[in-house]
Amino acid sequence: IAGITQAPTSQILAAGRRMTLRCTQDMRHNAMYWYRQDLGLGLRLIHYSNTAGTTGKGEVPDGYSVSRANTDDFPLTLASAVPSQTSVYFCASSASPANEQFFGPGTRLTVL
Amino acid sequence: GQNIGQPTEMTATEGAIVQINCTYQTSGFNGLFWYQQHAGEAPTFLSYNVLDGLEEKGRFSSFLSRSKGYSYLLLKELQMKDSASYLCAVRDGDYKLSFGAGTTVTVRA
Repeated sequence: IAGITQAPTSQILAAGRRMTLRCTQDMRHNAMYWYRQDLGLGLRLIHYSNTAGTTGKGEVPDGYSVSRANTDDFPLTLASAVPSQTSVYFCASSASPANEQFFGPGTRLTVL
Repeated sequence: GQNIGQPTEMTATEGAIVQINCTYQTSGFNGLFWYQQHAGEAPTFLSYNVLDGLEEKGRFSSFLSRSKGYSYLLLKELQMKDSASYLCAVRDGDYKLSFGAGTTVTVRA
């Protein structure tokens, strides 16, 4: 079944640790995105990639990095996790930046 | 940037109609999206407006007025499964989405 997968589903992490959230899509979409969702704030864009090999910063990029080595994968890395990065993280993709976005199931991350 | 406003919560009865308003202020406008998100799940795409007017999709309709920076999502013949959060999102000239905080709709029997 085509779609977007994210791993892990949930994670509890000690502050200061490095963590990579994985995102894979099999729809051959060119564009991919990472959002965080916090209560009362809605979804906020962290980083995006309009096509393989390119990335850009969103609204809240600090403390996060991404890479887009191929079309299917778009990992998000927290170099040194802090408690304010406790959130639900959603990966999304779209056929092009002009098309609607499809979201993965999310990763619930808790940083203690 | 975008400044998007929508009500926090709304309650309605099964079979009724509910209208969720969204207002926005933007430095560049390139379309408005509505997404539905059930608790603990991913957002799913509902509708898209880029020109003024009404777009109808079954029980759901979405309206846009670009001059007023205003949109609404109309849910008709409410069903219990429509209990969810509804997210308004505005796309800017760089094709990036900014989301409102969402409106939680509770449908009562």
